[in-house]
Amino acid sequence: QQQVKQSPQSLIVQKGGISIINCAYENTAFDYFPWYQQFPGKGPALLIAIRPDVSEKKEGRFTISFNKSAKQFSLHIMDSQPGDSATYFCAASGGGADGLTFGKGTHLIIQP
Amino acid sequence: GAVVSQHPSRVICKSGTSVKIECRSLDFQATTMFWYRQFPKQSLMLMATSNEGSKATYEQGVEKDKFLINHASLTLSTLTVTSAHPEDSSFYICSARDWGVGGYTFGSGTRLTVV
Repeated sequence: QQQVKQSPQSLIVQKGGISIINCAYENTAFDYFPWYQQFPGKGPALLIAIRPDVSEKKEGRFTISFNKSAKQFSLHIMDSQPGDSATYFCAASGGGADGLTFGKGTHLIIQP
Repeated sequence: GAVVSQHPSRVICKSGTSVKIECRSLDFQATTMFWYRQFPKQSLMLMATSNEGSKATYEQGVEKDKFLINHASLTLSTLTVTSAHPEDSSFYICSARDWGVGGYTFGSGTRLTVV
């Protein structure tokens, strides 16, 4: 059972555009929703995270939108740059599970 | 910010031998650490939760006798892949939760190749 579904699998965006990645979860006990960026051969790095009591959180060019009733959350990358090209993972934790459950990842390419 | 150091970054071992991977929290104490495995172009899958001073909790389908976890101190957890086989070749990543920050910090990963 895949508890966190992520889409799209891959995404190509022009430089300066907005990159949007979506995730949906099933476990209503989840209470922490982070987004990670991973470059090849490296561990994931935390970008931004949100909890269910907030509908939106912004940090620099990165914004999380959270819809508790729909059990969905998304990452928006504004003014996308070639250096943003990486694999992005959404994740969730909570409900007695200490570890993170990851989505399948989105391979993002920003074209110059 | 919280830093997790993982060593080695790459290791090649012969089939049948054992390999130990270390995970250290450098500037915070981690009572709980996590071990993930990631196959090429796939997501991270939680293997086990490592608890300081007690037995690790393994996810369904993960062989506890093959993947030995020891969390002897508040800053160090080790994963030992015993009797490694080529199918164990993967990217292993540890993580720790910094309760002061509230997030999960990941190590840089270990690329294991079994030949």
